[in-house]
Amino acid sequence: KQEVTQIPAALSVPEGENLVLNCSFTDSAIYNLQWFRQDPGKGLTSLLLIQSSQREQTSGRLNASLDKSSGRSTLYIAASQPGDSATYLCARRSSRGSTLGRLYFGRGTQLTVWP
Amino acid sequence: DVKVTQSSRYLVKRTGEKVFLECVQDMDHENMFWYRQDPGLGLRLIYFSYDVKMKEKGDIPEGYSVSREKKERFSLILESASTNQTSMYLCASTTWDRSTDTQYFGPGTRLTVL
Repeated sequence: KQEVTQIPAALSVPEGENLVLNCSFTDSAIYNLQWFRQDPGKGLTSLLLIQSSQREQTSGRLNASLDKSSGRSTLYIAASQPGDSATYLCARRSSRGSTLGRLYFGRGTQLTVWP
Repeated sequence: DVKVTQSSRYLVKRTGEKVFLECVQDMDHENMFWYRQDPGLGLRLIYFSYDVKMKEKGDIPEGYSVSREKKERFSLILESASTNQTSMYLCASTTWDRSTDTQYFGPGTRLTVL
């Protein structure tokens, strides 16, 4: 089973906090690992993509890391703002022949940042 | 910027109707996907396509079919809509080029079947 697990399922923090969202996966056959943001009722927006050969990627206040050996990825958000409130999903893109190219999603972490 | 568009944001249909959901991408991507998203169940893959005229079943293909006659367009068809197909439907596309292979999503279609 191509399971992706995200912890915590929900997080509520005051503005300004640094926070870490966790993603774990059971299958190490990974092509890449992606983090997405989803606002209520909307589609998904790509935040960061880490190729299998990379360890981390950064974009502004966001930093994502990948540890294939332990099957983990983390999304670090620095100095959180109310505008960061959304659901964050991670997805593993498979490198296995039978499922090549497919994304396997976690169920997301619902983040609320209050002023 | 990559654009993935879906034909409707909101759709209301009756049980038994045939429903077409259209998805168009403008970046010449080889791969296209249809997901449905339900509270508590997350995103589930219905069908995907790696090339024109090709289709592969995802995890929940029952009750759905797809069509990919042109590279930029991927259609999801509900042959006879049922109430349990009420959901948010999301289309996505991507390429094999590692320099740009993020998956791009459309805005979603909220389908209600009465």
